[in-house]
Amino acid sequence: HSALTQPASVSGSPGQSITISCTGTNSDIGAYNYVSWYQQHPDKAPKLIIYDVTYRPSGVSDRFSGSKSGNTASLTISGLQADDEADYYCSSYTASSTPVLLGGGTKVTVL
Amino acid sequence: EVQLLESGGALVQPGGSLRLSCAASGFTFGHHGLSWVRQAPGKGLEWVSAISGAGGNTYYTDSVKGRFTISRDNSMNTLHLQMNSLSPEDTAVYYCAKARGWDGSGIYALDVWGQGTTVTVS
Repeated sequence: HSALTQPASVSGSPGQSITISCTGTNSDIGAYNYVSWYQQHPDKAPKLIIYDVTYRPSGVSDRFSGSKSGNTASLTISGLQADDEADYYCSSYTASSTPVLLGGGTKVTVL
Repeated sequence: EVQLLESGGALVQPGGSLRLSCAASGFTFGHHGLSWVRQAPGKGLEWVSAISGAGGNTYYTDSVKGRFTISRDNSMNTLHLQMNSLSPEDTAVYYCAKARGWDGSGIYALDVWGQGTTVTVS
């Protein structure tokens, strides 16, 4: 049971846009603008693609964008490409002794 | 280039102990919090533990509290995870990751990851 809830899978065709949701509570996502997203290809280490809800690290494609509304954060991938096929995890900060929360992950399939 | 290199993973019997290490380079080590994140075979990521830049604050997920101890040596640019009373549920790839910030909310976003080290408890 993960602290943050994500759909198990999302799919789309090349060129399309898809959105992955991440639902938390008013103690984490709803309380702070501290949501990050990670991309993980099979047998690879995760890669940070979004932090602080909307910011992209240097080198990350602008096809990736983040947003938040209430207790739910979202990652949108536009212009879907074959290399976007991967697992995506959301993460949030919460002011507690366990400050890092992770979602269960969403498998993105490019049809 | 910013790099993290984990070591210490092994096959260990239930109830045993193991110490993981993570050697860092390419950034001002003491200015950043660090985390351990694990991934059981075929499962998702699970945050395990974090430590602030100076090492004064440590954080653990509930399932490892009292069994795991995170520490860092800022003079050697090294992070450690001492794991005791291991159970099969601890079997996973363990990643070392660098936080964007130093402590508090700055430690949640992990911008550099190592390649992982495998711990098998059986």
